[in-house]
Amino acid sequence: GAGVSQSPRYKVTKRGQDVALRCDPISGHVSLYWYRQALGQGPEFLTYFNYEAQQDKSGLPNDRFSAERPEGSISTLTIQRTEQRDSAMYRCASSQGQRSETQYFGPGTRLLVL
Amino acid sequence: LAKTTQPISMDSYEGQEVNITCSHNNIATNDYITWYQQFPSQGPRFIIQGYKTKVTNEVASLFIPADRKSSTLSLPRVSLSDTAVYYCLVGEFRGNTPLVFGKGTRLSVIA
Repeated sequence: GAGVSQSPRYKVTKRGQDVALRCDPISGHVSLYWYRQALGQGPEFLTYFNYEAQQDKSGLPNDRFSAERPEGSISTLTIQRTEQRDSAMYRCASSQGQRSETQYFGPGTRLLVL
Repeated sequence: LAKTTQPISMDSYEGQEVNITCSHNNIATNDYITWYQQFPSQGPRFIIQGYKTKVTNEVASLFIPADRKSSTLSLPRVSLSDTAVYYCLVGEFRGNTPLVFGKGTRLSVIA
């Protein structure tokens, strides 16, 4: 596709349920990043991949959060046993993986945990 | 990554030039300065990057003094559609570098 796509765009779930957020990066982009953005704040790093390898997951808040990119393209961010504090905009970005490269962001998934 | 400080908000009338200054006193030798723009309900978008002196593209200009401890993003003749949050980031921006965003500067352009 022309840009980074994410699905679903909106997700409402009840506390305790698991959710899976999908990111489809720009074709051919090596690196894929997940960020979380609260209202009025800049995006906050969660984790990133080079191809299928998860290079850094230091930003994941706790072990309820996990991410995978099994074939080096589409990625899924999973939140288990959701809590109200998980409510936020979850953004995905991809880049070519070269020096000083630009990251291209998707439209995000707005998650609301009731 | 070097910490940055920028104004929380700015207002401007249409047609004016807007300058947003970012302070980054602890910038390192290998660090670049990058600005992202975020419209409401959209993800951030890269607009410009520089290392020193002046960089200009079709969207904006970036002025960086010799000591590189600050930088100024200049938007010529803004329009209502330039209303957005502008983030200043400083770092090496090598491949595979997560971005560290602050709160940015919320620019409101009014008619």
